[in-house]
Amino acid sequence: DAGITQSPRHKVTETGTPVTLRCHQTENHRYMYWYRQDPGHGLRLIHYSYGVKDTDKGEVSDGYSVSRSKTEDFLLTLESATSSQTSVYFCAISDTNTIYFGEGSWLTVV
Amino acid sequence: QKEVEQDPGPLSVPEGAIVSLNCTYSNSAFQYFMWYRQYSRKGPELLMYTYSSGNKEDGRFTAQVDKSSKYISLFIRDSQPSDSATYLCAMSGNTGNQFYFGTGTSLTVIP
Repeated sequence: DAGITQSPRHKVTETGTPVTLRCHQTENHRYMYWYRQDPGHGLRLIHYSYGVKDTDKGEVSDGYSVSRSKTEDFLLTLESATSSQTSVYFCAISDTNTIYFGEGSWLTVV
Repeated sequence: QKEVEQDPGPLSVPEGAIVSLNCTYSNSAFQYFMWYRQYSRKGPELLMYTYSSGNKEDGRFTAQVDKSSKYISLFIRDSQPSDSATYLCAMSGNTGNQFYFGTGTSLTVIP
């Protein structure tokens, strides 16, 4: 196990509601990432963090925000969920040149 | 053009077959190459990690990197039904902590 815990693992929410996904790591890695994975698109980077309070956008960041107040926690927030954000979300951590993934959070927006 | 190209398959083989999975890439700066196995409704799991060119073997799995051709491969010998999964290639360069992924190849090993 890579020491990554995602919560919740499954969530169904209504369009327009805010949603927060949490990622917790026990490896003390500097870099943390949020990806979404969709059929035909593979893994797409939403946001990443390179330290406490240091974050940057990925290729599909619109509609998402992140925060990292502690080394071990990285939060992904959907401010107002839309049906296009129905997906599986993976948190990942990196030491130097290898990346490790959590088990995923399945989000359905109805 | 995508940085990393991977044939999505699906690939279906009989048990015991040798499986070859491949990725091509365009960025000559890539130095670190990874293969992940992803079972249905699970997260990607690191299977193999190699640096620069050459081969690396781990049990029934061999990872091969040909930087001159910008081509990487994963070979699975004596394939088992438990190898049925999606396999993703990934790579990164020396700038650190930026990773590029293939879209994954779906493999089914038939008993």
